[in-house]
Amino acid sequence: KAGVTQTPRYLIKTRGQQVTLSCSPISGHRSVSWYQQTPGQGLQFLFEYFSETQRNKGNFPGRFSGRQFSNSRSEMNVSTLELGDSALYLCASSLAAKTNTEAFFGQGTRLTVV
Amino acid sequence: GESVGLHLPTLSVQEGDNSIINCAYSNSASDYFIWYKQESGKGPQFIIDIRSNMDKRQGQRVTVLLNKTVKHLSLQIAATQPGDSAVYFCAENGSGGYQKVTFGTGTKLQVIP
Repeated sequence: KAGVTQTPRYLIKTRGQQVTLSCSPISGHRSVSWYQQTPGQGLQFLFEYFSETQRNKGNFPGRFSGRQFSNSRSEMNVSTLELGDSALYLCASSLAAKTNTEAFFGQGTRLTVV
Repeated sequence: GESVGLHLPTLSVQEGDNSIINCAYSNSASDYFIWYKQESGKGPQFIIDIRSNMDKRQGQRVTVLLNKTVKHLSLQIAATQPGDSAVYFCAENGSGGYQKVTFGTGTKLQVIP
């Protein structure tokens, strides 16, 4: 069974631009959540989607948004990029609708804003 | 607010010895905990989990202990190998009611050959 796939693996953008990252969850998983990892802040929760609905959101500005499609694939978008948005963006997928289940992570997308 | 934190940022262990990585959590409502291993350039990899109705869970070379009284978790790695070198995160999932993994700050494990 294929794991969580994130594309692209690496991305370089200029301040002020926008970016869209993609995540394909493990087949059959309906919950997809996104995380930002930086050396200074560690791993921080962005948002979680289940059945195309955002169920939970972390403390990030509105420039960070996401969506989920009917096949459970998810995208996250960051508009008006800032230098501080440089980070590893991780996506995790889970099988169940309820909590207390394993979350499997992808390899991440390394975003560099210059 | 809820948080999951680690006691030590870096742990150096001789190859073949046992490693113990500790973690404290603050949310008494947390009832599902996970240990992740993250190697450089990779995403977190699931190692082992434990639910709050258990005190101990064993996997292959790894054991997780949960002490709910003092809100403490530990990960024990037996016969540590060079391939175990990585950053280890304790995390809890779902105390907020949805799939949301809350991570600790991480402990870097260095295995000395």
